[in-house]
Amino acid sequence: QSVLTQPPSASGTPGQRVTISCSGSSSNIGINTVNWYQQLPGTAPKLLIYSNNQRPSGVPDRFSGSKSGTSASLAISGLQSEDEADYFCGAWDDSLKGYVFGTGTKVTVL
Amino acid sequence: EVQLVESGGGLVKPGGSLRLSCAASGFTFSSFSMNWVRQAPGKGLEWVSSTDYSSKAIYYADSVKGRFTISRDNAKNALYLQMNSLRVEDTAVYYCARATTLAGIAETGSGYWGQGTLVTVSS
Repeated sequence: QSVLTQPPSASGTPGQRVTISCSGSSSNIGINTVNWYQQLPGTAPKLLIYSNNQRPSGVPDRFSGSKSGTSASLAISGLQSEDEADYFCGAWDDSLKGYVFGTGTKVTVL
Repeated sequence: EVQLVESGGGLVKPGGSLRLSCAASGFTFSSFSMNWVRQAPGKGLEWVSSTDYSSKAIYYADSVKGRFTISRDNAKNALYLQMNSLRVEDTAVYYCARATTLAGIAETGSGYWGQGTLVTVSS
């Protein structure tokens, strides 16, 4: 089962701000960086945020990440219809000696 | 342009074996950590295994430890996953993914992904 916990769903109207949480523990988020992935229907995951708050080239600045203690958050500001997707957090877990993903959050644009 | 192309998926009976391959291009393959991630139908992402650039640091998820083996051939720019003793619950799309930066997957996650290859384990 997933070690990182996310809300199963989130929604908003176009232009709104949506925030997704990711809760972990002292062996993963507490001591390692967090990454966020977006998965559009039927496609491979795409990296949105790495090292807690860094955006890869080409990712709009509407997407931002933050981390505090054993939790992290992804914020989508100015929500757009093309943001409708599944979002996963991920981090290395020192106890498991492996990478762990969050349970995933489905974002719906109303 | 970074490209990762998986192959080798298919239908296999429980207890059978399969070898997945990932052909890499567009970057210096021998410098980057690589990993396999899978996604069962309608489910979330599950990390399977990682190898650093030199194959000296290799890790596996508990769910596949002792059954799967990750390897790489830096001369051929290829990553492999040998899967033995396959179970029904191994049915998934398997993605090959590259570390975002030279710092590795633990630091920066997987910034590049292939399109995936479907493995179906069924009698």
